[in-house]
Amino acid sequence: GAVVSQHPSWVICKSGTSVKIECRSLDFQATTMFWYRQFPKQSLMLMATSNEGSKATYEQGVEKDKFLINHASLTLSTLTVTSAHPEDSSFYICSARDPLAGVYEQYFGPGTRLTVT
Amino acid sequence: QQQVKQSPQSLIVQKGGISIINCAYENTAFDYFPWYQQFPGKGPALLIAIRPDVSEKKEGRFTISFNKSAKQFSLHIMDSQPGDSATYFCAASMGTGFQKLVFGTGTRLLVSP
Repeated sequence: GAVVSQHPSWVICKSGTSVKIECRSLDFQATTMFWYRQFPKQSLMLMATSNEGSKATYEQGVEKDKFLINHASLTLSTLTVTSAHPEDSSFYICSARDPLAGVYEQYFGPGTRLTVT
Repeated sequence: QQQVKQSPQSLIVQKGGISIINCAYENTAFDYFPWYQQFPGKGPALLIAIRPDVSEKKEGRFTISFNKSAKQFSLHIMDSQPGDSATYFCAASMGTGFQKLVFGTGTRLLVSP
């Protein structure tokens, strides 16, 4: 089956620094990737949709300059949290769509736990 | 319009029992309804999904029942096992645009031995 990986699986950074999270589709080419944020005991909230080679589309209320998304290739999307603050601490999850698997199917990564101290 | 309402928030079921989780939606443009299972510290994994042209879909112990007129769908887990203890999310999507998923609020299921 389609596999999506994320790196790192967890990261601790100091307030004011930036951190990059990678999302890779390992055995398929993903034209579209999605980034979600999940706070403890809450649902997944879509942050942005990224298409390879074009600018990401952000959901309302998500700061574009704070959460930089780059989808430079068909197998890699990155999320950079700039000038991170403790309130950015969360579980970040990406998903990718395999266009060959069907228009709806999304495959989720294992998530990245970000803690900002 | 874009919300998917999910209930109950938490559920305790005896081993071997049936777990039932319900979801309701408003947007009639939704045409794909998946259920995801998530264990603590992990990403969600697709369990089963249904399109509105069928009223029921079964895969192993998992069944989706879909009521188009009521705009409701539910997940039934037969013969629930302790290993099923997880958080379950329903979701909905449209086949146009980016096909973004709209998630329900989640149900924490605990199957007692």
